[in-house]
Amino acid sequence: GQQVMQIPQYQHVQEGEDFTTYCNSSTTLSNIQWYKQRPGGHPVFLIQLVKSGEVKKQKRLTFQFGEAKKNSSLHITATQTTDVGTYFCAGRWTYKYIFGTGTRLKVLA
Amino acid sequence: DADVTQTPRNRITKTGKRIMLECSQTKGHDRMYWYRQDPGLGLRLIYYSFDVKDINKGEISDGYSVSRQAQAKFSLSLESAIPNQTALYFCATSVRGAGGELFFGEGSRLTVL
Repeated sequence: GQQVMQIPQYQHVQEGEDFTTYCNSSTTLSNIQWYKQRPGGHPVFLIQLVKSGEVKKQKRLTFQFGEAKKNSSLHITATQTTDVGTYFCAGRWTYKYIFGTGTRLKVLA
Repeated sequence: DADVTQTPRNRITKTGKRIMLECSQTKGHDRMYWYRQDPGLGLRLIYYSFDVKDINKGEISDGYSVSRQAQAKFSLSLESAIPNQTALYFCATSVRGAGGELFFGEGSRLTVL
């Protein structure tokens, strides 16, 4: 079946350092979404990527979708304490979304 | 009020008991989903429904059943709960069509002793 792997599982950074999480699918995706879950909260949608090679930016966050539509990344520039949480990618096949295992980010002030 | 409401928010039960988790939404979305979250395993899809008459199994449907009572209501049942069903359960909704973002409820934390 479809699988989405995400690395790293955990990342601790000093405030101001950059952070990247990577998502890899076993098969080609229709599109990919990214979500953020704050500690004790629920996942909240960040962005969707649809096109091969697509790059989107939201302030300090940069999202990329691979040329083969099988991998994606989220990069945060100059992390802040408000970036703390778990970041999930979710790959879409036909009509359902399969989530990656998530990367938990801790930011040390 | 939350657009996607889950009840109960927390539940402790014993092995063998029947449990129902309920989800209701005011977003008017056709599609509803149940996910289970375990540490290190991310969110895994249990069941999804695209309308009242369309219910589909997800990645981990064994031991679970669902009911779509109305467009706005989607319930998850554990007929005979077991300890490895201890987890955080999320209901989510999305609009019809390709690429709809998922809107999650606050979650229901279930502990099976």
